[in-house]
Amino acid sequence: SAVISQKPSRDICQRGTSLTIQCQVDSQVTMMFWYRQQPGQSLTLIATANQGSEATYESGFVIDKFPISRPNLTFSTLTVSNMSPEDSSIYLCSVGTQMNTEAFFGQGTRLTVV
Amino acid sequence: RKEVEQDPGPFNVPEGATVAFNCTYSNSASQSFFWYRQDCRKEPKLLMSVYSSGNEDGRFTAQLNRASQYISLLIRDSKLSDSATYLCVVNRPGTYKYIFGTGTRLKVLA
Repeated sequence: SAVISQKPSRDICQRGTSLTIQCQVDSQVTMMFWYRQQPGQSLTLIATANQGSEATYESGFVIDKFPISRPNLTFSTLTVSNMSPEDSSIYLCSVGTQMNTEAFFGQGTRLTVV
Repeated sequence: RKEVEQDPGPFNVPEGATVAFNCTYSNSASQSFFWYRQDCRKEPKLLMSVYSSGNEDGRFTAQLNRASQYISLLIRDSKLSDSATYLCVVNRPGTYKYIFGTGTRLKVLA
């Protein structure tokens, strides 16, 4: 298993600003992912954070809006840029250690944009 | 068609009842299937993996039907503490990516 620390746990931000969310894993992991969970909805994959190269984004998500860094095998950041109230959501970091095994999640970041 | 589909519920059942949820998936090449539990305002946590032959963990039984492309979760003798959202998760073949269903809300009533 993997223990994931995600911060901040919550934040209230002004529209037009940006917030960077950090995800730290207690061991080296192959894959790191970022998900969004909008109110009353399930999890939607934003992107795969690739170590040493640009993140791979899912349809509907772009790098300018959600830049991602992954400087090493234990750490990643997601930035939510130029925020609007529609970005209010829970953002979750997830890791996969081996293909076809379960994913592990951070505690999530509850973002409210006002 | 959505990659993973679930009935959102809610399912309101009395304590002690047996309840079952189904989840369908669209990609026949998917290899890995899971049920996660998510409590209100918490992150999802693995409840159980779903194996081809079906598997049981206490009051919980998971089954996979590849021919019809669905997985199921059966909860016997429901407890109040089982109240949560149950998420069906399927891997996207050939990747490490996991696709989540919308979740099924369960409320166990006293």
